[in-house]
Amino acid sequence: DAKTTQPNSMESNEEEPVHLPCNHSTISGTDYIHWYRQLPSQGPEYVIHGLTSNVNNRMASLAIAEDRKSSTLILHRATLRDAAVYYCILRANYGGSQGNLIFGKGTKLSVKP
Amino acid sequence: DAGITQSPRHKVTETGTPVTLRCHQTENHRYMYWYRQDPGHGLRLIHYSYGVKDTDKGEVSDGYSVSRSKTEDFLLTLESATSSQTSVYFCAIMDPSGANTEAFFGQGTRLTVV
Repeated sequence: DAKTTQPNSMESNEEEPVHLPCNHSTISGTDYIHWYRQLPSQGPEYVIHGLTSNVNNRMASLAIAEDRKSSTLILHRATLRDAAVYYCILRANYGGSQGNLIFGKGTKLSVKP
Repeated sequence: DAGITQSPRHKVTETGTPVTLRCHQTENHRYMYWYRQDPGHGLRLIHYSYGVKDTDKGEVSDGYSVSRSKTEDFLLTLESATSSQTSVYFCAIMDPSGANTEAFFGQGTRLTVV
């Protein structure tokens, strides 16, 4: 399975942008980069995903390096509600077990008022 | 919100007793998953199902069995609960016919084995 590396924790101030990095040097050409987050006492929730191009949605932006060996999740204005564990996951573009979501330990984001 | 519910939400049981957790979906997704989450380990995959009566093991399947007799329900059974199975259990649904899709997770079941 392709692996990802994330910092264990990060801190941010409320209403400031946050850049959460993820390294995935062994990514294959058909792996999608997915981000999920888990708020305290809740199940994980989908944030964003991409393949090669940068992606934007209402929650965040995903910046993917040209060589695809790293990516950055961008929260444009952090709120207290964004305090969560953020998981960067590679997902193979195949059916069966190769498409399963395999979680690492993620980055715990703390947001200060 | 995606139609996925877990039951029960909390359970305390004694060592050696059987326990069944239920995951119910209304999205008609083919794939369903059971994960457990323990402090310091993140989410770990226990079992998954890719269709009615089709299941396979994940990375931490020992001590667990699953069944899927209909599309909407995926059951996780601890045949003889042990204290090491005290954990928070999450169910997920997904259609991985391509990686260009998202997963939806339930709210979790907190199981305590005493």
